[in-house]
Amino acid sequence: AQSVTQPDIHITVSEGASLELRCNYSYGATPYLFWYVQSPGQGLQLLLKYFSGDTLVQGIKGFEAEFKRSQSSFNLRKPSVHWSDAAEYFCAVGNFGNEKLTFGTGTRLTIIP
Amino acid sequence: DAGITQSPRHKVTETGTPVTLRCHQTENHRYMYWYRQDPGHGLRLIHYSYGVKDTDKGEVSDGYSVSRSKTEDFLLTLESATSSQTSVYFCATLAPSDEQYFGPGTRLTVT
Repeated sequence: AQSVTQPDIHITVSEGASLELRCNYSYGATPYLFWYVQSPGQGLQLLLKYFSGDTLVQGIKGFEAEFKRSQSSFNLRKPSVHWSDAAEYFCAVGNFGNEKLTFGTGTRLTIIP
Repeated sequence: DAGITQSPRHKVTETGTPVTLRCHQTENHRYMYWYRQDPGHGLRLIHYSYGVKDTDKGEVSDGYSVSRSKTEDFLLTLESATSSQTSVYFCATLAPSDEQYFGPGTRLTVT
């Protein structure tokens, strides 16, 4: 069975600092990997995805993520965070065709001035 | 944006009453999903549908049923609501790009 671990429940960073959110997955084949962002009271918005090919993927809002098969990881990064990045971030793994997604428990990001 | 709407957006109901949540999409996507979101659990799949009248269970399906009589509508029913079903419920669809898109959510409180 596929699973996702987000080891950091809550992260606080200063505005302008760099950010890395961790995601580890368990999946038998080549996974489909996603990062979603959820602002308070809102639905989930897709930030980026990895299906195959280049292991460094670019997403919206200046985010990127790197797929590392050897470490079963798909960490999300941003070089300089903005106050508007404060939200909850979810990593997810899907199967071929992505009919079913498994989500991590999320990481809440707080930005301090 | 997959043109997903959910209704109602907020609902308070009493234990033991039936509740139906509706998800409507405008993009004609084949797959539709119901998730619940709870603190510390992320999103968990309740049921999903792969076509009209074709549905299957997710990981937390006990106490829930679904129906899909039209491509655009996917209904989630709590036959007899319990306090453990207090949650935020999200509907999603699967686009041809293999990306899932989510609705705005329904906050359900069972008292």
